[in-house]
Amino acid sequence: DGGITQSPKYLFRKEGQNVTLSCEQNLNHDAMYWYRQDPGQGLRLIYYSQIVNDFQKGDIAEGYSVSREKKESFPLTVTSAQKNPTAFYLCASSIDPGSLSPYNEQFFGPGTRLTVL
Amino acid sequence: AQSVSQHNHHVILSEAASLELGCNYSYGGTVNLFWYVQYPGQHLQLLLKYFSGDPLVKGIKGFEAEFIKSKFSFNLRKPSVQWSDTAEYFCAVNPKYNTDKLIFGTGTRLQVFP
Repeated sequence: DGGITQSPKYLFRKEGQNVTLSCEQNLNHDAMYWYRQDPGQGLRLIYYSQIVNDFQKGDIAEGYSVSREKKESFPLTVTSAQKNPTAFYLCASSIDPGSLSPYNEQFFGPGTRLTVL
Repeated sequence: AQSVSQHNHHVILSEAASLELGCNYSYGGTVNLFWYVQYPGQHLQLLLKYFSGDPLVKGIKGFEAEFIKSKFSFNLRKPSVQWSDTAEYFCAVNPKYNTDKLIFGTGTRLQVFP
């Protein structure tokens, strides 16, 4: 089955601890994205990566970090500097942002619900 | 600031009622437009999209949306909802000057009662 996997589904951490959320895709997509979903606020872009070893900040990057060492993987670390980390985190991917297509559809993973105690 | 507005935060309908969810955006240039749906416990998935051409687009499960450029709107409609349409619906905009990003609205929670 092709798709995007995120693990774990639920994650609990103590305040002050860093935590890393996993995102893997086997769709051979070039671009990957991390969003945060909060009730009443929709999805907000944290970081995105168009190509291996390169990534850009989204609208709410403070307190987060990412890496893109492999095409299929884009882990997100929620650091202790993130003031309100409890949220639902969604990973997405799209085929090739540099193509001539008018737009490349983003496909989403099942999400990870992070609760910081 | 550039934004996407969904004015209906929570909509409650009976089965067979008609549905219209509003979406307005504030970008001045050309845009791609999307509606995504998130059923309880499921992935966010694409419902329909508009890139160009006919401003009335049809999506899955009987949904349609109309792009009205003069009103900066992309409202979602369905003539007769079903209980299985209970979900959260998100409007999203991709400004064509930046092909990477999606800007999402705050979402509308739809509850359909039998």
